Amino acid sequence: DAMVIQNPRYQVTQFGKPVTLSCSQTLNHNVMYWYQQKSSQAPKLLFHYYDKDFNNEADTPDNFQSRRPNTSFCFLDIRSPGLGDAAMYLCATSRDRGLGSYEQYFGPGTRLTVT
Amino acid sequence: GDSVTQMEGPVTLSEEAFLTINCTYTATGYPSLFWYVQYPGEGLQLLLKATKADDKGSNKGFEATYRKETTSFHLEKGSVQVSDSAVYFCALSDRTGTASKLTFGTGTRLQVTL
Repeated sequence: DAMVIQNPRYQVTQFGKPVTLSCSQTLNHNVMYWYQQKSSQAPKLLFHYYDKDFNNEADTPDNFQSRRPNTSFCFLDIRSPGLGDAAMYLCATSRDRGLGSYEQYFGPGTRLTVT
Repeated sequence: GDSVTQMEGPVTLSEEAFLTINCTYTATGYPSLFWYVQYPGEGLQLLLKATKADDKGSNKGFEATYRKETTSFHLEKGSVQVSDSAVYFCALSDRTGTASKLTFGTGTRLQVTL
């Protein structure tokens, strides 16, 4: 089945220790998104890739970065995690044809714990 | 900017009860509207969608109609089951910049009991 896969499902890191979360997709979608979701809150968009073009949200901290080496994979790097970065991180994809608006397909998420 | 307002939860219902979760939106363009569902510890799953005024989205017994005159997209189900217990997010998708983006409501937790 075509899908969005996130690894690992659970990640524990230490305060200040860099961590990378990964997302892969078999949908061949051209747009990939990263969201942060804290407990009992709506997902908050951090950034997205439209093809190879990176688009950062204005309020995303510099501590968060992303890489998309090819269509299928996208990584979220947190350079120096703080306790406030503990959250569920969701990857999503969409097939964007350049006009109009489109649904997004989400992965299962990675729950990050910072100790 | 765009925004979505959902009714506060939790909503607690008995099995086979009728469900309504209210959702209203504010948007400058002509958004598409969505309901996503999130089960505990999982990502979001698309439940249903509507792309233009008067469209009705439906899936798994859930329905919602895109009402432009009242800027609403209320979620309904005639008879809920325990397995419907989850958090439901109303969202709109509009194009700003390079790609379409989702604006979510705060989510409504539904608890269905026997």
